Amino acid sequence: DQQVKQNSPSLSVQEGRISILNCDYTNSMFDYFLWYKKYPAEGPTFLISISSIKDKNEDGRFTVFLNKSAKHLSLHIVPSQPGDSAVYFCAASAWDTGNQFYFGTGTSLTVIP
Amino acid sequence: DTEVTQTPKHLVMGMTNKKSLKCEQHMGHRAMYWYKQKAKKPPELMFVYSYEKLSINESVPSRFSPECPNSSLLNLHLHALQPEDSALYLCASSQFSTGELFFGEGSRLTVL
Repeated sequence: DQQVKQNSPSLSVQEGRISILNCDYTNSMFDYFLWYKKYPAEGPTFLISISSIKDKNEDGRFTVFLNKSAKHLSLHIVPSQPGDSAVYFCAASAWDTGNQFYFGTGTSLTVIP
Repeated sequence: DTEVTQTPKHLVMGMTNKKSLKCEQHMGHRAMYWYKQKAKKPPELMFVYSYEKLSINESVPSRFSPECPNSSLLNLHLHALQPEDSALYLCASSQFSTGELFFGEGSRLTVL
């Protein structure tokens, strides 16, 4: 049972525009959410996180929004750059999952120069 | 130091070989993880160690044997693997269950 879902397997955006990556979850106990960026044959790199007590967290060009009632989070990248082209995974955890993180299936972002 | 270091970066082994993957972190994290990742798929949890004790084993076949010699080191011993076990094996660590999960660069394993 996939508790964290990324329904868009791929996304293409022009350089300089906004990229919006979406993630949905089913477990209302999740209280911490993370976004990772992954290049082929490399480990995922942590990008940004948000706890359930917030609805927005910003770090430079990256902003994560959390809508708890909709069980939905999104990652906004503004402005998008060609170097942002990668696969993006969202992940979620809850205090009672025994240090377990659940990952979405990933969205492949291509930023077109 | 915010690194998780994995060795080797690449490993090719036969189905009768015995090899080990190693992972090290010096961030004082008390939870360490092994994940397996196939191309275009999310990381798949294999094992979690909390305070050097195995806390989660996601029904992983016994040909994969984890070991946590101390709070900074995590090994994955491999024996009698199958070609379908070829994947990127990722080590990760975290301090709390709701903290950041830091990944190593992975060990690319090919089983012939």
